[in-house]
Amino acid sequence: DTAVSQTPKYLVTQMGNDKSIKCEQNLGHDTMYWYKQDSKKFLKIMFSYNNKELIINETVPNRFSPKSPDKAHLNLHINSLELGDSAVYFCASSPTSQIHLRETQYFGPGTRLLVL
Amino acid sequence: DAKTTQPTSMDCAEGRAANLPCNHSTISGNEYVYWYRQIHSQGPQYIIHGLKNNETNEMASLIITEDRKSSTLILPHATLRDTAVYYCIVRTGYSGGGADGLTFGKGTHLIIQP
Repeated sequence: DTAVSQTPKYLVTQMGNDKSIKCEQNLGHDTMYWYKQDSKKFLKIMFSYNNKELIINETVPNRFSPKSPDKAHLNLHINSLELGDSAVYFCASSPTSQIHLRETQYFGPGTRLLVL
Repeated sequence: DAKTTQPTSMDCAEGRAANLPCNHSTISGNEYVYWYRQIHSQGPQYIIHGLKNNETNEMASLIITEDRKSSTLILPHATLRDTAVYYCIVRTGYSGGGADGLTFGKGTHLIIQP
């Protein structure tokens, strides 16, 4: 009964490749997110998305694009991978029924991306 | 969102109460205090949140001072599995279209000693 799941757990790839990370939540939440945690352990928001609006952190390169086939999924596609993209990527979701509950986010286990 | 200040690290003996402080002196009236933690190699985990009243759930208690300029997260009977980085975050919550995500600071590294 996993709430937020991500695949793959580990991803090792070469520079220049294109890769996708999948995220699924079974909590019935309307809003999903992608975060990046770098080697210094700082956790930063990349995207938030619901069926109405995509909000993009302006510091995220346009090589990164979220894709949502339905409300329960928010996948992250990365083009032309670079060494600096190596990090742990976390997916999260939250309810939208009440304003303050939107910040009660549920995180996935993370995808550890290593670009060689 | 208001800025928060937390100690870099804290130790606590197993079985004792762990009290984690957070200062948020510039908090505004409509901002909530949220606590998350991240256990090594896992995703962040929501713990608790509150506006001005003290809150308690199965994981922890949150004590917010009357002036709301600081708060304390209390883990009543700490175990070794509570060793983690604890983040205090102040947010208004979403007020219009999409949410713009949480801003995590450096947090407090809580180490539970056996």
